[in-house]
Amino acid sequence: AQSVAQPEDQVNVAEGNPLTVKCTYSVSGNPYLFWYVQYPNRGLQFLLKYITGDNLVKGSYGFEAEFNKSQTSFHLKKPSALVSDSALYFCAVRDNLSGGGADGLTFGKGTHLIIQP
Amino acid sequence: DTGVSQDPRHKITKRGQNVTFRCDPISEHNRLYWYRQTLGQGPEFLTYFQNEAQLEKSRLLSDRFSAERPKGSFSTLEIQRTEQGDSAMYLCASSSWTGVGYTFGSGTRLTVV
Repeated sequence: AQSVAQPEDQVNVAEGNPLTVKCTYSVSGNPYLFWYVQYPNRGLQFLLKYITGDNLVKGSYGFEAEFNKSQTSFHLKKPSALVSDSALYFCAVRDNLSGGGADGLTFGKGTHLIIQP
Repeated sequence: DTGVSQDPRHKITKRGQNVTFRCDPISEHNRLYWYRQTLGQGPEFLTYFQNEAQLEKSRLLSDRFSAERPKGSFSTLEIQRTEQGDSAMYLCASSSWTGVGYTFGSGTRLTVV
């Protein structure tokens, strides 16, 4: 079984400061990891993904995430936060093994990111 | 191609009624997924199709739920005898055969009164 934990319900950051949204995961095989952002009453927008290769992944809107296999983490980061980054962020994982339900993504509960002007 | 389309955007129905939602995936994507998202939770996987074949169903997909993708293009999700607990956002996503690049639609918000 695969699972994702986002330990913080909410993260508050002042505009211009760096931000980190935490995510840890558990899978049987090797992970495919994703970050999505959701604005109110909207679907999910893709930010970035880790499949293989470099542990530091760069994505949309200046976001990046670092894959750490030993800590089973995939934290989302941005060097300088914008007020417009305020939204709900979801980390998701799927196992690289196919079948047995592994093809569906497992999401965390989400983290509200609030950027204060 | 404008991405994944879902219709309707909002649906309010009385308890006990049947509802059907439609999803049009990105045309070149052969995988299609349905998820359900309740307030304060992340999306939960319901089912997925590869072309017209329904390959996986979650335990969340009770007997009152049925999904189809008859020609391997659009998909429908029907809920029979709706209950208040079915109130949620129903999200559709599509991906290529590799299953590693999902695109989500904007969702259908169902309210059962």
